[in-house]
Amino acid sequence: KAGVTQTPRYLIKTRGQQVTLSCSPISGHRSVSWYQQTPGQGLQFLFEYFSETQRNKGNFPGRFSGRQFSNSRSEMNVSTLELGDSALYLCASSNRTAYTQYFGPGTRLTVL
Amino acid sequence: GESVGLHLPTLSVQEGDNSIINCAYSNSASDYFIWYKQESGKGPQFIIDIRSNMDKRQGQRVTVLLNKTVKHLSLQIAATQPGDSAVYFCAETAGNNRKLIWGLGTSLGVNP
Repeated sequence: KAGVTQTPRYLIKTRGQQVTLSCSPISGHRSVSWYQQTPGQGLQFLFEYFSETQRNKGNFPGRFSGRQFSNSRSEMNVSTLELGDSALYLCASSNRTAYTQYFGPGTRLTVL
Repeated sequence: GESVGLHLPTLSVQEGDNSIINCAYSNSASDYFIWYKQESGKGPQFIIDIRSNMDKRQGQRVTVLLNKTVKHLSLQIAATQPGDSAVYFCAETAGNNRKLIWGLGTSLGVNP
């Protein structure tokens, strides 16, 4: 089976812009979770989608949003980018909530 | 935000020695724990998990120990190899929402 794929791998944006990141889960996995990883804060949970519905949400502002499509592919969007949004954004898929999650390589977002 | 604490941010061992990575958790209701390994430039990779009804579980060269009395989790790596150099994360989950709570990570370096 192909692993979790994320696109793009690298992004450079400026403050105030918005960005959309994409994640394709492992075939057959219906749960997709998103995380933000920074050196100082570690892995911070953003949200989790299952069958096109957001099932869990972390403590992030409303500028961070996501969605899941009927084929389980997921996107996350960050609007009005801030310098502090620079991070590695990881997507993970599983065949049920919070059990073994399989991670993609991440999207490295740099906000200038 | 929520986090699982780690005793040491960095650990350096000699090749061939055994490594022990520790993790403290705060939620006594947590019933499932996972260790992940993250190599540079990659997403976290599942290593081993343990449920709260067990106190020890072994995998290939790895052993996870769970002490619920003091809310402590450890990962033991036998005969540490250079390929074991990575950041190791523990994560816990509890309750019906099954949201994973992640530690900050321990960086393991292996000296040849």
